[in-house]
Amino acid sequence: DVVMTQSPLSLPVTLGQPASISCRSSQSLVHSDGNTYLNWFQQRPGQSPRRLIYKVSNRDSGVPDRFSGSGSGTDFTLKISRVEAEDVGVYYCMQGTYWPRTFGQGTNLEIK
Amino acid sequence: EVQLLESGGDLVQPGGSLRLSCAASGFTFAGQAMSWVRQAPGKGLEWVSSISGSTDSTYYADSVKGRFTISRDNSKNTLYLQMNSLRAEDTAVYYCAKGATLIDQWGQGTLVTVSS
Repeated sequence: DVVMTQSPLSLPVTLGQPASISCRSSQSLVHSDGNTYLNWFQQRPGQSPRRLIYKVSNRDSGVPDRFSGSGSGTDFTLKISRVEAEDVGVYYCMQGTYWPRTFGQGTNLEIK
Repeated sequence: EVQLLESGGDLVQPGGSLRLSCAASGFTFAGQAMSWVRQAPGKGLEWVSSISGSTDSTYYADSVKGRFTISRDNSKNTLYLQMNSLRAEDTAVYYCAKGATLIDQWGQGTLVTVSS
């Protein structure tokens, strides 16, 4: 199975400051079709997950442009340019290239 | 607007069975891959199973293989998860999700508690 390793697992951030979450996979996520199926999800307290980013760097409709994704191969990053109060929650990366699908452990973003 | 409405969660004894349903609307269900993802209390997300949109190929996590069965009824726009031989470690909120490679929408979840 592909292991997804996120860091940090806890991320205290001051409002207005940037935040960065790393996600590393145990093998390259480049699919045979040429795409890299790395997704990022946000789960606010008490809510269902919501997708923010798909295929590494594509932002979903309605997602603020302060969120961005980057990376390639086995190394990926989710960045928030300026953290707002509504960004509190747990962030997960997930790979959709291999079966079984696997998630990272989650990164808990809180306001310092 | 895409809507995914799970139902069927309940308290069940170890060794028991349960069937979850997910009523989908707002998109063309037939031909769309679908998944189940679970979240144990206070824990992270765990992929459980997926079913393809076209060939009805099915995929399972090792932790549920042989005990859970995913299926769909395209005439009813409904996804199912038949869960047998339930264990305490199956206790979780079960989410229905649209997609399998690019999961893009989630339901609100249904709680399954396995306890005597």
